[in-house]
Amino acid sequence: DADVTQTPRNRITKTGKRIMLECSQTKGHDRMYWYRQDPGLGLRLIYYSFDVKDINKGEISDGYSVSRQAQAKFSLSLESAIPNQTALYFCATSAQTGHLPPTSDDEQYFGPGTRLTVT
Amino acid sequence: ILNVEQSPQSLHVQEGDSTNFTCSFPSSNFYALHWYRWETAKSPEALFVMTLNGDEKKKGRISATLNTKEGYSYLYIKGSQPEDSATYLCASGSARQLTFGSGTQLTVLP
Repeated sequence: DADVTQTPRNRITKTGKRIMLECSQTKGHDRMYWYRQDPGLGLRLIYYSFDVKDINKGEISDGYSVSRQAQAKFSLSLESAIPNQTALYFCATSAQTGHLPPTSDDEQYFGPGTRLTVT
Repeated sequence: ILNVEQSPQSLHVQEGDSTNFTCSFPSSNFYALHWYRWETAKSPEALFVMTLNGDEKKKGRISATLNTKEGYSYLYIKGSQPEDSATYLCASGSARQLTFGSGTQLTVLP
């Protein structure tokens, strides 16, 4: 079974609808991230969380909100979807603690992605 | 937000050729440099996490070097194979988050 899962994998929704993307992980990592990917651009960070009580805005948080329901679950919501939120969304986790010097164990593990289309 | 740039944007090589691409990042306050391999219809997967100036890492036919003083990293692929076709992403990190480049899309022609 995959360590990082995302649901749904594909979603088409209409402008103005509320939609939630869910991410679950079995890696036991404290850190979780939501990214979006648009053609020609790299992965851009939307929100990140270091534990259930520590949630932070990323580069492009406007129009999005998140919820960290448990260590294993991190959900991304679009309160009122708009067409320019059409993108591929990835959830990721990391064992990084930030309290120690960086190590080769700080890699991020990505889910399979959710392709969202807003019409 | 860090400015992480990758070049070239895309690259076509013949099977058996060796190739390399570049990632440049701000050299001030360097923390870590990540390389990821992203195949079409799959998720990005980590190749290397590099932390020290002069680091060299190798995984099979793929290797990477790091120069934190001048702010660049090279990824090398020796004897490219069609299965190496993918987008290669680099990311420069802080203790809190990564900033990704836009990637180099490699196509290896049989």
